[in-house]
Amino acid sequence: DQQVKQNSPSLSVQEGRISILNCDYTNSMFDYFLWYKKYPAEGPTFLISISSIKDKNEDGRFTVFLNKSAKHLSLHIVPSQPGDSAVYFCAASAPGGSQGNLIFGKGTKLSVKP
Amino acid sequence: DVKVTQSSRYLVKRTGEKVFLECVQDMDHENMFWYRQDPGLGLRLIYFSYDVKMKEKGDIPEGYSVSREKKERFSLILESASTNQTSMYLCASSQTGSVTDGYTFGSGTRLTVV
Repeated sequence: DQQVKQNSPSLSVQEGRISILNCDYTNSMFDYFLWYKKYPAEGPTFLISISSIKDKNEDGRFTVFLNKSAKHLSLHIVPSQPGDSAVYFCAASAPGGSQGNLIFGKGTKLSVKP
Repeated sequence: DVKVTQSSRYLVKRTGEKVFLECVQDMDHENMFWYRQDPGLGLRLIYFSYDVKMKEKGDIPEGYSVSREKKERFSLILESASTNQTSMYLCASSQTGSVTDGYTFGSGTRLTVV
C-alpha cells in the first residue's frame, strides 16, 4: 500500500502561471518531507523540504505547504518557466528515519508551455 | 563536484548475461540505495545498505543482488538479465542521522536488455 501518493501523473501549465503539484501521505508519523526534480536521463536532484513542525517553506519561486491534519502537501512554482518541465517526486522520511530512509511517490510530470 | 558516480550512463546487455552496475560516492555516507525508475511506477527501491557488508532488501529485490565491500562503493548485480529489467537504475546515498539532507543521487544508468 502506497504511503506517499501523487495522484496526478502529469500536469500542463502555461509559462508564467502557477504550477501546483500535490502529494498525500498516510503515515502520520512522517516527520520530514522533500521534493525532488528529475530531468530525463539524469538523477533526481533535491529541490525543497519541510519539517512537520512547519506549515510553509519558501525558496525563491518554490514554496511547499504542509497540511498535517489533511496529510497533504503541495509544491507551488510561481512563475512557472519552461525549464521547470520535469518529473517531480514527493518523498517522506520514514518513522525512525535516522538512517535516512525516504519513501517516494510515483512522481508528477510537469510540462510548462511557452 | 561529482558526489555519486554511476559507472555507465547507457548499457545494452543480452538476455541471460550477468550485469554489474557500479556506484561510488565520495561523501563518506553510511547509507546507499539502488532504485529503478519506470514510467508510471516512480522510484522503486531494490536494495539498500546501512554499512559495509550489510544489505537489506527493498520492495523489488527479485532478480537482483548487491555487494558492499567498501563504504564508498555499492554494486548492483543482475544475476541473469531479462528484458523486464530494462529500466533506468539510480544509485543514491545519505548520511545516517541526517534525514534533512535527503539523498544524493547519481546520474543514472539506462539499461537495455535485448
